[in-house]
Amino acid sequence: DQQVKQNSPSLSVQEGRISILNCDYTNSMFDYFLWYKKYPAEGPTFLISISSIKDKNEDGRFTVFLNKSAKHLSLHIVPSQPGDSAVYFCAARSFSSNTGKLIFGQGTTLQVKP
Amino acid sequence: EAQVTQNPRYLITVTGKKLTVTCSQNMNHEYMSWYRQDPGLGLRQIYYSMNVEVTDKGDVPEGYKVSRKEKRNFPLILESPSPNQTSLYFCASSPSPGTGRSEQYFGPGTRLTVT
Repeated sequence: DQQVKQNSPSLSVQEGRISILNCDYTNSMFDYFLWYKKYPAEGPTFLISISSIKDKNEDGRFTVFLNKSAKHLSLHIVPSQPGDSAVYFCAARSFSSNTGKLIFGQGTTLQVKP
Repeated sequence: EAQVTQNPRYLITVTGKKLTVTCSQNMNHEYMSWYRQDPGLGLRQIYYSMNVEVTDKGDVPEGYKVSRKEKRNFPLILESPSPNQTSLYFCASSPSPGTGRSEQYFGPGTRLTVT
């Protein structure tokens, strides 16, 4: 039972264009969502997050949008740079859980072409 | 430098030979966790620890053990490894979930192959 799904295994965009990575979830108890970036041979690093009380959070070139009615979030990267090429994981936390547990999606590999 | 360290980074072993993967964090975090990453499945939680001497199972605990005798260390133990435990393992830490902060800081990963 995959509660957090990233249905696109890979995405390729041209440098300078927008990258849009998508994530869907099924559990309406999730109240906090995060995006992580992972380079080869490294651990995931935290990128940006959003609380369920918001529908948008922005940090520099990165913006996360949350559509609670559709149980969908997306990460926008504008403009995309070759250094953004990595695997991106979305993750979610349930407010009913006090265990700090994060549920991760399968990941999307982003390639930004120069 | 604030970090989570894991050792070894790469390990090839044989079925049934006990092994331990160490994890240490220098951020005084109360929460620590182990994940495994497999193709098409993302990261799945194996075990977690809310604080010293407090551990609990995650989603895929079978075949693994953990201990938390000190705040900074959280080793992962495979008593009798099997080929289906071949995977990429990550240790992570974060401040107490009660603080409302959920960002977890990950180690560099341990690539384990069991033949």
